[in-house]
Amino acid sequence: AQSVDQPDAHVTLSEGASLELRCSYSYSAAPYLFWYVQYPGQSLQFLLKYITGDTVVKGTKGFEAEFRKSNSSFNLKKSPAHWSDSAKYFCALEGGGSNYKLTFGKGTLLTVTP
Amino acid sequence: GPKVLQIPSHQIIDMGQMVTLNCDPVSNHLYFYWYKQILGQQMEFLVNFYNGKVMEKSKLFKDQFSVERPDGSYFTLKIQPTALEDSAVYFCASSLMGGYAEQFFGPGTRLTVL
Repeated sequence: AQSVDQPDAHVTLSEGASLELRCSYSYSAAPYLFWYVQYPGQSLQFLLKYITGDTVVKGTKGFEAEFRKSNSSFNLKKSPAHWSDSAKYFCALEGGGSNYKLTFGKGTLLTVTP
Repeated sequence: GPKVLQIPSHQIIDMGQMVTLNCDPVSNHLYFYWYKQILGQQMEFLVNFYNGKVMEKSKLFKDQFSVERPDGSYFTLKIQPTALEDSAVYFCASSLMGGYAEQFFGPGTRLTVL
């Protein structure tokens, strides 16, 4: 079985601060990990993914994420945050041999105040 | 960027009726997916589809559900008959490749079963 946990339903911070959204996963083998973002009224958009190799991966819109096998985490980071980053962020896992299905976390709603 | 379209955006039907949800995937994509999101819960995988066949379906993909993509047109999810618990937002996604590929998501169809 595989699962993804995003423990923070809502994060609020001020523009210019550093943001870090938490994601932990449970999977018995090597995971493929993704972050997606959903702006109000829009579809989910791909941000970045970790497959293998460098544990820090960079994506679109200035985001990066760090894969830490030791504590099964894949946290999303950006510095500085901008008010336009306000959106809902989803972490997802694809297990190898899982026929490419994604297992999602519940999402974190990020509010960046100007 | 490439877009996935879903028609309709909102559908209200009476329990027991049939409903077809339509997805227009990215034109050169080969893999297709349906996910279900009940209000307040996380998005969950329903089924994926490649080369005219279902690859994998979850336990949420009941016998009343079916998918097809006749002649490369819309990728459809049909529910017949519908039940109250089918009320949810259904997201379609497509990807060019299978493993660890970015999935492109549509905006969702909100299905309300009365």
